Amino acid sequence: QSVLTQPPSVSGAPGQTVTISCIGSSSNIGARYDVHWYQQLPGTAPKVLIYGSTNRPSGVPDRFSGSKSGNSASLVITGLQAEDEADYYCQSYDTRLSGSYVFGTGTTVTVL
Amino acid sequence: QVQLVQSGAEVKKPGASVQVSCKASGYTFTNHDINWVRQATGQGLEWMGWMNPKSGNTGFAQKFQGRVTMTRQNSLTTAYMELSDLRSEDTAVYYCARGRGGGLSYYFDFWGQGTPVTVSS
Repeated sequence: QSVLTQPPSVSGAPGQTVTISCIGSSSNIGARYDVHWYQQLPGTAPKVLIYGSTNRPSGVPDRFSGSKSGNSASLVITGLQAEDEADYYCQSYDTRLSGSYVFGTGTTVTVL
Repeated sequence: QVQLVQSGAEVKKPGASVQVSCKASGYTFTNHDINWVRQATGQGLEWMGWMNPKSGNTGFAQKFQGRVTMTRQNSLTTAYMELSDLRSEDTAVYYCARGRGGGLSYYFDFWGQGTPVTVSS
């Protein structure tokens, strides 16, 4: 059972904007730990999409953006494209249970 | 270019152990932690632990303490994860991932291709 909660699914038509939330608590995101986002295409390993809450690695399109505030974070996909259909996970660190890196519950993005 | 190449699929019986390897290339192996993350079919990602190749120090998620071992052979730039006392619920794809950053901001910047492990009698 993850300590970071995401919506199970979001969907949008091509060109639309979708937002994925990642809700944590005072022992992880609220404790100033950064949030990172991963994209997992079907049958492949995860790939980092956003690191340090707001930064994009080279090669990641600028239609992906991240933000963090309080105990939560968000990933926004602007101008949704068919190839964005994938699972998305947030990740942070939690100070409970002797400290542990934690992933969100995951969100499936469907392009209508 | 950074690459992490993992060993092949495994099938094990309950109670047995499995060892998965992760060969790194394209960077200085001792400069970055290796983490292990698993994913059961249709489920989310679960972090298992980390290992520092330079010191050999390790840290594990509480759930796996006592059942997981993480080692390395620096001359081969290879990390290993061994999980013992396997149960059916350990059936999953196991990934190695390179750690990046530290302090308040630590993430996994490169991943192996994954190793399926099936536990079945």
